[in-house]
Amino acid sequence: GAVVSQHPSRVICKSGTSVKIECRSLDFQATTMFWYRQFPKQSLMLMATSNEGSKATYEQGVEKDKFLINHASLTLSTLTVTSAHPEDSSFYICSAGRQVNEQFFGPGTRLTVL
Amino acid sequence: KQEVTQIPAALSVPEGENLVLNCSFTDSAIYNLQWFRQDPGKGLTSLLLIQSSQREQTSGRLNASLDKSSGRSTLYIAASQPGDSATYLCAVTSMDSSYKLIFGSGTRLLVRP
Repeated sequence: GAVVSQHPSRVICKSGTSVKIECRSLDFQATTMFWYRQFPKQSLMLMATSNEGSKATYEQGVEKDKFLINHASLTLSTLTVTSAHPEDSSFYICSAGRQVNEQFFGPGTRLTVL
Repeated sequence: KQEVTQIPAALSVPEGENLVLNCSFTDSAIYNLQWFRQDPGKGLTSLLLIQSSQREQTSGRLNASLDKSSGRSTLYIAASQPGDSATYLCAVTSMDSSYKLIFGSGTRLLVRP
């Protein structure tokens, strides 16, 4: 149990386009989902926390208009990278919270912006 | 503000060695500490979760200890194998950060055959 999926696993896009990444909790309901970003050979940096039915809370330095997060249901959160540029290329990982201190991670999405 | 540090950043050992990875955190007010494994280009696999009231957890060849008062945790890997090669991440759920996980920078482990 406690499986989290992400789609797509890999995406390549042209500069200026928008990309949507989905995060789903497959066998449990997650009132809270987290989005992380990871640069090569670096650790995970939390971008935002999303709660079902409310606006996401963004970490300092993360542009909310650049990284749009929607948490429309208890099993789905989406991250949209708007007007992507090469510096947005990264590995994006989501996690879903089943309890207060229990998170389950998705397999990640590799974004490459040309 | 909670900060998590992992030492060493990289480690290369011959197969069969026992090894210790270190993690330290600045604020002892934590709910738990977790050790994760990450293979290149992949997501995270949770290895061990230690609640703040616990001292250690064991799973197979892995043993993780927690000394909350000193802000330290160690991950002990016994009889290392080439398949253990990966990046190991330590993360804490800090009481002052609304249950967010704070990650260390990781230790990249290579076990040579």
